[in-house]
Amino acid sequence: AQTVTQSQPEMSVQEAETVTLSCTYDTSESDYYLFWYKQPPSRQMILVIRQEAYKQQNATENRFSVNFQKAAKSFSLKISDSQLGDAAMYFCAYRSGSGNTGKLIFGQGTTLQVKP
Amino acid sequence: DSGVTQTPKHLITATGQRVTLRCSPRSGDLSVYWYQQSLDQGLQFLIQYYNGEERAKGNILERFSAQQFPDLHSELNLSSLELGDSALYFCASTQGGKAYNEQFFGPGTRLTVL
Repeated sequence: AQTVTQSQPEMSVQEAETVTLSCTYDTSESDYYLFWYKQPPSRQMILVIRQEAYKQQNATENRFSVNFQKAAKSFSLKISDSQLGDAAMYFCAYRSGSGNTGKLIFGQGTTLQVKP
Repeated sequence: DSGVTQTPKHLITATGQRVTLRCSPRSGDLSVYWYQQSLDQGLQFLIQYYNGEERAKGNILERFSAQQFPDLHSELNLSSLELGDSALYFCASTQGGKAYNEQFFGPGTRLTVL
């Protein structure tokens, strides 16, 4: 079975600085997708960025980028120029590329605090 | 706004009771997923429906059941409620049922069991 681990329960960053959130996963599959979701205090789940395992290039979305290390099964999220609105819980998630389901498997989450 | 709606937003009930959570997917989305977010278990997948049929099952208790209706809305039924069932229940929808379809989450239903 696939698992996702986020080893940092809490992180903090100064406004305008850069922070990296860690995620590791375990799978025997070769076809899969990885995601970072943001959950602000409103509790809404918001997709931040996604990475297809078959793509070697790291995904980027504006100030958000990932460091995808397939061999190491590592998928970290880098937030550049942190803003107060980035304060939230961040979840790393895995989705198998095979089979008939697109269910997400989530890590435990990392709470990010942004200090002004 | 993701386009996925969930009702009610909040639900407070007593142990032993039964409740129904409702989810309306985005227009055109055929697949609905239910997730539970609790302090103990984190965010976990419960069940998936695709065009009215059950597609996948996760860590869903036998006291819980779900269905997807012909108009594609879905309901999650929770019975014989226990204190530990208190959680935030999310519904998500996608156009298809497979991995490459992005999931759009609803705002969740906060269930409190007293």
